[in-house]
Amino acid sequence: AQSVAQPEDQVNVAEGNPLTVKCTYSVSGNPYLFWYVQYPNRGLQFLLKYITGDNLVKGSYGFEAEFNKSQTSFHLKKPSALVSDSALYFCAVRDPLYGNNRLAFGKGNQVVVIP
Amino acid sequence: DGGITQSPKYLFRKEGQNVTLSCEQNLNHDAMYWYRQDPGQGLRLIYYSQIVNDFQKGDIAEGYSVSREKKESFPLTVTSAQKNPTAFYLCASSIPDRDRDGYTFGSGTRLTVV
Repeated sequence: AQSVAQPEDQVNVAEGNPLTVKCTYSVSGNPYLFWYVQYPNRGLQFLLKYITGDNLVKGSYGFEAEFNKSQTSFHLKKPSALVSDSALYFCAVRDPLYGNNRLAFGKGNQVVVIP
Repeated sequence: DGGITQSPKYLFRKEGQNVTLSCEQNLNHDAMYWYRQDPGQGLRLIYYSQIVNDFQKGDIAEGYSVSREKKESFPLTVTSAQKNPTAFYLCASSIPDRDRDGYTFGSGTRLTVV
């Protein structure tokens, strides 16, 4: 079965510093990987995805993520964090070989950007 | 614009009452999902439906019921059997054979028992 781990509950970073949110996954085949962001009392918004090809994926709001197959990781990064990046971030994975078409979500990481 | 709409945004329920949360999408997506979100627990799947007139239990279906009579609509009923219904509820949709696109989410309904 597919699964995702987001090992940190909260990530604190000073404004202007690099931001990294960690995600590792477990699947049988080649994964489809996604990052979503959630602001308070709102739904999840799509940030970026990895399906195939270049391991470095660029997404919305200056975020990027690097797919590392040997480490089964898909960490989300932003070179310079903004206070407005403070939100809850979810990593998700789908295994194309697992036939129920469902995404498995991590538990989420709260990001706090300190002015 | 295409999207997924949840209503109401806030809902208050008395003890022992059933309430129904609405989820409507105009994206022509076949699959729809209901998640419950509690602080620190991430997203937990309640029910999902891959096609009209069919739905499956998720990880925490007890105390909830759904119907899927139309492709566009997937209402969730929180019954009196659900002992701790206070939570944030999220609806999502997707095209199963285009799973590269991930899910589209609604803006959520916050349910509070009073």
